[in-house]
Amino acid sequence: DQQVKQNSPSLSVQEGRISILNCDYTNSMFDYFLWYKKYPAEGPTFLISISSIKDKNEDGRFTVFLNKSAKHLSLHIVPSQPGDSAVYFCAATGSGGSNYKLTFGKGTLLTVNP
Amino acid sequence: NAGVTQTPKFRILKIGQSMTLQCTQDMNHNYMYWYRQDPGMGLKLIYYSVGAGITDKGEVPNGYNVSRSTTEDFPLRLELAAPSQTSVYFCASSRHTGQGYNEQFFGPGTRLTVL
Repeated sequence: DQQVKQNSPSLSVQEGRISILNCDYTNSMFDYFLWYKKYPAEGPTFLISISSIKDKNEDGRFTVFLNKSAKHLSLHIVPSQPGDSAVYFCAATGSGGSNYKLTFGKGTLLTVNP
Repeated sequence: NAGVTQTPKFRILKIGQSMTLQCTQDMNHNYMYWYRQDPGMGLKLIYYSVGAGITDKGEVPNGYNVSRSTTEDFPLRLELAAPSQTSVYFCASSRHTGQGYNEQFFGPGTRLTVL
C-alpha cells in the first residue's frame, strides 16, 4: 500500500520554463512533507519542506504547494536550469515523536534541456 | 566535516555470504537510519537508531541486523545474503529535536549485488 505516490516517473522541460512535480498521499496523519533531490551515484539531499498548517513554502526558485483537502502537493521550479536535472523524491512524516520516519514516493526523474 | 560516510561503495556477494556495511557520521547527530532503494522504487527504512545502544526495526528489517555502540557509527549486517537484497543502501543521520522537521543527511550509498 503506497502511502506517498508520484505518478509521473519522468518529466522533461526546457531551460527557463517552469517544472511542476506532483505528489499525492493517502495518510491523513502525515504532518510534514518534504522534497529530496538525488543526483546519480549520490545520496538524496534535502530540498524544501512544508508543514501541514501551511499551503505554500518558497525558497528561491523552489516553491512547494500543499492542498490538504486533496491530499496533494507539488514542487514548482522556476526558472528551471540544466543543473536541476535529477530524481526528485516526495516524502512525508508524522508529527511530534514520530516525525523522524520518512515515507518516500518512487521519485520523478526531471530532465531540463538546454 | 565529512558528513555521512559509507563503505564500501560497491560490493558483489555470493548467495549465503555475510557482510557489514559501514556508516559513520561526524555531525554528532542522535538519530541514524538505514534505507534501501530498489530500482524504480522509493527509499524504504530498514532500521533506525535514536541513540547509542538503542535500535528499532523499520519497514523492511528481515535479513538485516544493526548495532549502535557509539554516536558516530551505525553498521548494517547482512548474515545470509540473498538475491532479494540486491539494492542500493543509504545511511542517514539527523539531529532529532522533537519539534518541527529535522533534516536527514544521507551518505553516498553502497551498491550491493547478490549473485
